[in-house]
Amino acid sequence: RKEVEQDPGPFNVPEGATVAFNCTYSNSASQSFFWYRQDCRKEPKLLMSVYSSGNEDGRFTAQLNRASQYISLLIRDSKLSDSATYLCVVVHYGGSQGNLIFGKGTKLSVKP
Amino acid sequence: NAGVTQTPKFRVLKTGQSMTLLCAQDMNHEYMYWYRQDPGMGLRLIHYSVGEGTTAKGEVPDGYNVSRLKKQNFLLGLESAAPSQTSVYFCASSLDRGGYTDTQYFGPGTRLTVL
Repeated sequence: RKEVEQDPGPFNVPEGATVAFNCTYSNSASQSFFWYRQDCRKEPKLLMSVYSSGNEDGRFTAQLNRASQYISLLIRDSKLSDSATYLCVVVHYGGSQGNLIFGKGTKLSVKP
Repeated sequence: NAGVTQTPKFRVLKTGQSMTLLCAQDMNHEYMYWYRQDPGMGLRLIHYSVGEGTTAKGEVPDGYNVSRLKKQNFLLGLESAAPSQTSVYFCASSLDRGGYTDTQYFGPGTRLTVL
């Protein structure tokens, strides 16, 4: 099982739709979780952290389920500008690989 | 603040040639990272540094070397380029390691093609 897995998509949704992405992780010792956004041919940028109690930032809601080892991102009222690839990132300490593990990303395309 | 900058933005090499990618950050971050991103593979860590003068191997270090002589700079070297090293290379830096403050700030990337 890969450390961090995401559905690659693409998710094609109309403007105004609600869309949700899931991400599963294999290391139960993982301690921090993030969603990054990457526009086409650009660098990844932090979208939001994911807190244990769940958190919301405008139209974006992130949830963490430690028991099932997955995190989710919900986008409400999708905008054309939300079209991008969303990367799930899991952090755990120790090891030789640094501490951030990136998923391969889920591509979202919002259509008019 | 310029954030994280990378030079060059594009490069085409022939097999066997060498080159150095430069990453610079002006945020006084301790931690710096080099990733490569390939289609269908996601971001993979090549090497990282937890401070000036220190480096460590990541997930895919073979064929690359790095140096962190100054806190603000992190260099990635390819001694003998191979077609398998054709990729987009991202540099990143972070203030902290681990925890909710471990936001990584990425440079704009270097697109490298090895013929």
